[in-house]
Amino acid sequence: AQSVTQLDSQVPVFEEAPVELRCNYSSSVSVYLFWYVQYPNQGLQLLLKYLSGSTLVKGINGFEAEFNKSQTSFHLRKPSVHISDTAEYFCAVRTGRRALTFGSGTRLQVQP
Amino acid sequence: ETGVTQSPTHLIKTRGQQVTLRCSSQSGHNTVSWYQQALGQGPQFIFQYYREEENGRGNFPPRFSGLQFPNYSSELNVNALELDDSALYLCASSLGPIKGDTGELFFGEGSRLTVL
Repeated sequence: AQSVTQLDSQVPVFEEAPVELRCNYSSSVSVYLFWYVQYPNQGLQLLLKYLSGSTLVKGINGFEAEFNKSQTSFHLRKPSVHISDTAEYFCAVRTGRRALTFGSGTRLQVQP
Repeated sequence: ETGVTQSPTHLIKTRGQQVTLRCSSQSGHNTVSWYQQALGQGPQFIFQYYREEENGRGNFPPRFSGLQFPNYSSELNVNALELDDSALYLCASSLGPIKGDTGELFFGEGSRLTVL
C-alpha cells in the first residue's frame, strides 16, 4: 500500500527566510505526487504536482518541489517565505485512479 | 467557472443521529470524492462516485454512504453518528478515470460536523 510521511508536524521560520517541508512516500509502482495547502477554515488548494518528466516541479506562490526516486522523497521548498504563507501543507500520493493518500500535514508558521 | 461548493458549512448533531452533506462539483467534472479530515490530521479517503456509482472506497464502515446525481452533484450520508465522526468533511471533484486524468482534485471548503 502507498503511504506518505511528513517528517515535521510544525516548522517555524522567520519572514524572508528559506524553508523546506519534508515528505517521504512509499510505493512499489510509479507515483503521482502532490502538495496541497490549507489556509485556516478553508479547503485544500493545489500547490504543485509531479506526474513524470523533470524532477524539479514549480508551483504557485513561488513554491517548488524535487522528486527524488532513490530517496523516495518529494520535499517542498521556497527560497523566501512571507507571512501569508502561514498555513497547513499536505503531501499526497495518488493511489491508483481512485484516491489520494495524504500525509498528516506540516504547519508552517512564518514569524515577522 | 464554478468551483466546488458544499453545504452546510457547519452543523451540530448528537450521537446516534443521521446527517446528510451536499456537494456540487466543479463545472465539467464528472467524478466526486469525499474525504474526512479529523482535527490535526490529513484528509482520509471515504469514497468516490463516478457515473452515479461508487467507484472506490476507503476504510470506512457501511454507515457512511453516498449518492451521485445525474448532474454530478453528490451527497454524503452518515448514520448512527459517533463522537469520532466529528471532523471536516471535504468534497473534491475531478475529471474522472479517463485517459490522461492526472488525479488532480479540486476541493470545496468543507462541512464541519460536530457530534455531541
